[in-house]
Amino acid sequence: DAGVTQSPTHLIKTRGQHVTLRCSPISGHKSVSWYQQVLGQGPQFIFQYYEKEERGRGNFPDRFSARQFPNYSSELNVNALLLGDSALYLCASSFAMTGFQPQHFGDGTRLSIL
Amino acid sequence: AQKVTQAQTEISVVEKEDVTLDCVYETRDTTYYLFWYKQPPSGELVFLIRRNSFDEQNEISGRYSWNFQKSTSSFNFTITASQVVDSAVYFCALSGGSNDYKLSFGAGTTVTVRA
Repeated sequence: DAGVTQSPTHLIKTRGQHVTLRCSPISGHKSVSWYQQVLGQGPQFIFQYYEKEERGRGNFPDRFSARQFPNYSSELNVNALLLGDSALYLCASSFAMTGFQPQHFGDGTRLSIL
Repeated sequence: AQKVTQAQTEISVVEKEDVTLDCVYETRDTTYYLFWYKQPPSGELVFLIRRNSFDEQNEISGRYSWNFQKSTSSFNFTITASQVVDSAVYFCALSGGSNDYKLSFGAGTTVTVRA
């Protein structure tokens, strides 16, 4: 079975632009989470979705938004990009929304802001 | 709030040596879950092991073993007989058990295994 897939792999944007990142979870997984990983740091939680509803949000500004579709895939949108948004954006999926279920991560989208 | 601390920034060893990674956590939850993930240079986070807060039995899985001690809030991870392919950044992570299922990660420990 395919793992978590994310697109695009790499992206270069300029300040002020917006970006949409996409994620397809492992087949059968209904929970999708987004994390931001700045170089040299651990991933930071952005959003968690389960059954198409937002179930958790990290300490990120309103410029960050996300949604989950009926097929459980997800999009992360970031508006008015800042230099500090340069990071690896990781999507993770799990079968259910419980702390016990390990989250399985995709390869990430590496976003560079010029 | 949940917090995970990995005090070791970098560890360098020669192949076949054992490597122990330290992890200390803070949480107010009585039920919680601890994880170790590996991030090789390619970037993807790979799930390695999981431990429940109510099960302090330490285990071994292949070359991996872990030592969970609630009394000291520590969840240490050991790679036995390290190999060059073990070179990666290792993250300790914590998830709550009561409607707070996000993973809180430590800053990571970079492990370099030299041939």
